[in-house]
Amino acid sequence: EAGVTQFPSHSVIEKGQTVTLRCDPISGHDNLYWYRRVMGKEIKFLLHFVKESKQDESGMPNNRFLAERTGGTYSTLKVQPAELEDSGVYFCASSQEAPDRVGETQYFGPGTRLLVL
Amino acid sequence: KNEVEQSPQNLTAQEGEFITINCSYSVGISALHWLQQHPGGGIVSLFMLSSGKKKHGRLIATINIQEKHSSLHITASHPRDSAVYICAVREWDTDKLIFGTGTRLQVFP
Repeated sequence: EAGVTQFPSHSVIEKGQTVTLRCDPISGHDNLYWYRRVMGKEIKFLLHFVKESKQDESGMPNNRFLAERTGGTYSTLKVQPAELEDSGVYFCASSQEAPDRVGETQYFGPGTRLLVL
Repeated sequence: KNEVEQSPQNLTAQEGEFITINCSYSVGISALHWLQQHPGGGIVSLFMLSSGKKKHGRLIATINIQEKHSSLHITASHPRDSAVYICAVREWDTDKLIFGTGTRLQVFP
């Protein structure tokens, strides 16, 4: 079974440009998460999809970030316009179980390394 | 101050040594995860704990809920154990994962 995949693996863009990151979760996983690690900092939650619906987007830094999951399969995260502080590694994760009190196992993708110049 | 603190930040060891990485947290949690990230690689889940102790091969994870502390132990360390080890807790109130900054481990032959 394929794991979580992300595309591209690396992206270098100039400030003001637009970048779209893609995440393909494990087939059948309803829950999809986006996380970000800014250089030298810990990984931070961005948002959580359940199927095609945004369950929680409280971690999205500002309105330059737009996430979609049309059809409840793959997801995209668009940054427009990109700023220098958006540089970092963007991770996607998926899970089958709901994040209830029992806990869930999230499967992480390899991440997309974004550098904004 | 981050709600999840790991120590040490960096760790070097000789092959065969016993290694301990610590994680302390300040929020109420429903579960704690230990994750591993090899250089240039993705993140792999090692353990999910809500109490007690778990063991997979040479890896052992323990958690003390009262003290809000967890440890990851590696017995008979090997160079292939070199990676960043990340502690993440699922916060009880929000169900969100909160991550530590990670511990970078290098094991030399």
